[in-house]
Amino acid sequence: AQTVTQSQPEMSVQEAETVTLSCTYDTSESDYYLFWYKQPPSRQMILVIRQEAYKQQNATENRFSVNFQKAAKSFSLKISDSQLGDAAMYFCAYRSASGNNDMRFGAGTRLTVKP
Amino acid sequence: DSGVTQTPKHLITATGQRVTLRCSPRSGDLSVYWYQQSLDQGLQFLIQYYNGEERAKGNILERFSAQQFPDLHSELNLSSLELGDSALYFCASSVAEGHFPETQYFGPGTRLLVL
Repeated sequence: AQTVTQSQPEMSVQEAETVTLSCTYDTSESDYYLFWYKQPPSRQMILVIRQEAYKQQNATENRFSVNFQKAAKSFSLKISDSQLGDAAMYFCAYRSASGNNDMRFGAGTRLTVKP
Repeated sequence: DSGVTQTPKHLITATGQRVTLRCSPRSGDLSVYWYQQSLDQGLQFLIQYYNGEERAKGNILERFSAQQFPDLHSELNLSSLELGDSALYFCASSVAEGHFPETQYFGPGTRLLVL
């Protein structure tokens, strides 16, 4: 079964600085999708960025980018120019490209942004 | 705002009772997914419906059931409630069946408290 591990329960960053959140996953599949979701205090789950495993190029969305290392099964999220509004729980998620459609989530990393 | 709506936002009930949670997907989305987020289990996939039919099943208890109606809204029914069922229940929707590189958009969740 696929598992997702986020080894950092908590992280903090100074406003305007850069922070990297780690995520590793375990799978025997070659085709899959990876996601980072943000959950602010409102508790809503907001998609931050996604990566298709067949794409070698790392995904980027404005200040958010990923470092996807398929061989190492690593999918880290880099937040540049951190803003106070970035403070939230961040969840890494895995979904198979075939078979069962469920999404597997990591335990989350709580990010604090210091002014 | 993801476009996914869930009602009610909060629900307080007693053990042994039955409740129904409702979800309306984004306009045009055919798939609806249900997730449970609890402190001890994290975020877990429960079940997926696509255009009225069940497509995938995760860690859903036999006391729980769901359905998707012709207008594509979905309901999650929780019966014989136990204290451990207290959690945040999310609904998510996506355009297609889930075999494509698509994104799931999450609703704001329903917070269930079982006393």
